[in-house]
Amino acid sequence: DADVTQTPRNRITKTGKRIMLECSQTKGHDRMYWYRQDPGLGLRLIYYSFDVKDINKGEISDGYSVSRQAQAKFSLSLESAIPNQTALYFCATRGTSGHNEQFFGPGTRLTVL
Amino acid sequence: SQQGEEDPQALSIQEGENATMNCSYKTSINNLQWYRQNSGRGLVHLILIRSNEREKHSGRLRVTLDTSKKSSSLLITASRAADTASYFCATDGIIQGAQKLVFGQGTRLTINP
Repeated sequence: DADVTQTPRNRITKTGKRIMLECSQTKGHDRMYWYRQDPGLGLRLIYYSFDVKDINKGEISDGYSVSRQAQAKFSLSLESAIPNQTALYFCATRGTSGHNEQFFGPGTRLTVL
Repeated sequence: SQQGEEDPQALSIQEGENATMNCSYKTSINNLQWYRQNSGRGLVHLILIRSNEREKHSGRLRVTLDTSKKSSSLLITASRAADTASYFCATDGIIQGAQKLVFGQGTRLTINP
């Protein structure tokens, strides 16, 4: 089973709808991240959380909110989706000891019409 | 922008040739990491090089780091068709008081059979 899972994998929605993307991990990591990726671009950080009580804005947090329901779960919400939020969204986790890599989920492809 | 810059943006070579990708960055780092992304999928960690290291090997991968020039390179030797993917560098450092990974825009590598 995958260590980092995301649901849904694909979603098409309409402008103005509320959307929630969910991420779960079995790695036991405290740190979790949400990124978006647009065609031809790298990843941009939306929000990150270093533990259940810690939520931080990333580079492009406007229009998004998050919830860290438990160590293993980190959800991303679009309160009122708009077309320029059409993108590929990735969740990632990271351990806290030493120099650590990030582990990514498979991504959610979101289309806002 | 705090993002690293990768060069070239796209690279197409014949199977068996070596592929070299470069990454430049702007801030002080703890380490630099390289990731691979197959089309539309999550990123997978390839290799990490610490700021006090100059070169690191992993299988057919060789990474160099020059902190004085704030640059890194990833060399894939004896390329295979299965190496076709996008490759991203990510710098790990303290930004606005928090440890973050900042991703470059990626190099799209195509290996022609």
